[in-house]
Amino acid sequence: NAGVMQNPRHLVRRRGQEARLRCSPMKGHSHVYWYRQLPEEGLKFMVYLQKENIIDESGMPKERFSAEFPKEGPSILRIQQVVRGDSAAYFCASSPRLAGDRTDTQYFGPGTRLTVL
Amino acid sequence: AQSVAQPEDQVNVAEGNPLTVKCTYSVSGNPYLFWYVQYPNRGLQFLLKYITGDNLVKGSYGFEAEFNKSQTSFHLKKPSALVSDSALYFCAVILRAQGGKLIFGQGTELSVKP
Repeated sequence: NAGVMQNPRHLVRRRGQEARLRCSPMKGHSHVYWYRQLPEEGLKFMVYLQKENIIDESGMPKERFSAEFPKEGPSILRIQQVVRGDSAAYFCASSPRLAGDRTDTQYFGPGTRLTVL
Repeated sequence: AQSVAQPEDQVNVAEGNPLTVKCTYSVSGNPYLFWYVQYPNRGLQFLLKYITGDNLVKGSYGFEAEFNKSQTSFHLKKPSALVSDSALYFCAVILRAQGGKLIFGQGTELSVKP
């Protein structure tokens, strides 16, 4: 019973390049959340997606960041023109969200550690 | 603004002694409260949650937490600490009205010495 999968686990990019982070939710989970853990800071919510829909993107930076969760395939967090300040651990979580229940536990993946040179 | 506070950056405990990791919250409305643990270079593992009902919640690995509405606290406890409990612990809250967004505390580093 596979958990939340994220890849790559480590990603190195030079300033100005694009970073693509992938997340495959647990089987049967249709809700995906992205969080960012900056050095010396806690975890901050970025975006909440359902299949083909963005539910809440209140934590996403206004520029260069985008996320999608297509009908088929993993969720993608895309960072364009990366800067050094984007270096962080990016975690994906998933939940089943049964019948509008807001208490679903979110299960986290191992994270992608992005380093921008 | 909604927030979660973990007042201690680090907690040191001797193996076999009881441990407490503190968490307080400041939200408007009724919160759902969670505890997660993070081991080095790993993702977060769910420990327990409070939704409603009994204020004492039991979770994984012998951990429990007590919801105290009057003190707006949700402290994590374990009667007898193990060296393997050493990790980073996060308290988090979801607001009923705001769906799935988890608001995390800053984290508390727990160190259990033999």
